[in-house]
Amino acid sequence: GAVVSQHPSWVICKSGTSVKIECRSLDFQATTMFWYRQFPKQSLMLMATSNEGSKATYEQGVEKDKFLINHASLTLSTLTVTSAHPEDSSFYICSAPQDVATQYFGPGTRLTVL
Amino acid sequence: GENVEQHPSTLSVQEGDSAVIKCTYSDSASNYFPWYKQELGKGPQLIIDIRSNVGEKKDQRIAVTLNKTAKHFSLHITETQPEDSAVYFCAASTDGTASKLTFGTGTRLQVTL
Repeated sequence: GAVVSQHPSWVICKSGTSVKIECRSLDFQATTMFWYRQFPKQSLMLMATSNEGSKATYEQGVEKDKFLINHASLTLSTLTVTSAHPEDSSFYICSAPQDVATQYFGPGTRLTVL
Repeated sequence: GENVEQHPSTLSVQEGDSAVIKCTYSDSASNYFPWYKQELGKGPQLIIDIRSNVGEKKDQRIAVTLNKTAKHFSLHITETQPEDSAVYFCAASTDGTASKLTFGTGTRLQVTL
């Protein structure tokens, strides 16, 4: 099946620093990718839709200036958590639809902000 | 917006028994319902999905049923095995695609020997 990768798989950073997470579709192109956030033992919450060649669309309550999204190519989307704080610690997961019928998820990135 | 409820939150079954997880949705326009399995520290993996024009779909030990009138759908796993132990999420979409999914709250399934 289609594969979506994320890098890094985990990251620990100091409060106030910025962290970039990459999401790649390895064997298909995706004009749209999605970023989710998952707190421990909770469900996935959609943060934003990443659109290749245009601005990302953010869900209500998600700060676009804090979570910067760039869809650089048809196979790469990046999420940058700016000025990270401990409350930003979470599991961030991206996904990419291979076609209208199937969406594949990445393995996730665990962010810990000290 | 769409709201998806999932029950139970935890489920423990003995190996070989069946497991059933149920979800209800609020938006009657929802027309695509995937199920995902998530193992610890990993991203969700699609295991089966169903569209609103189908009432039931089966893939080996896994089946999904959909009742549009009642707005609920269920995941059935038969002959459970220890490797089925994971967290299962249902989801719903209103645009007929796998985009912009609303997820249920998850069910932690434990298959015991």
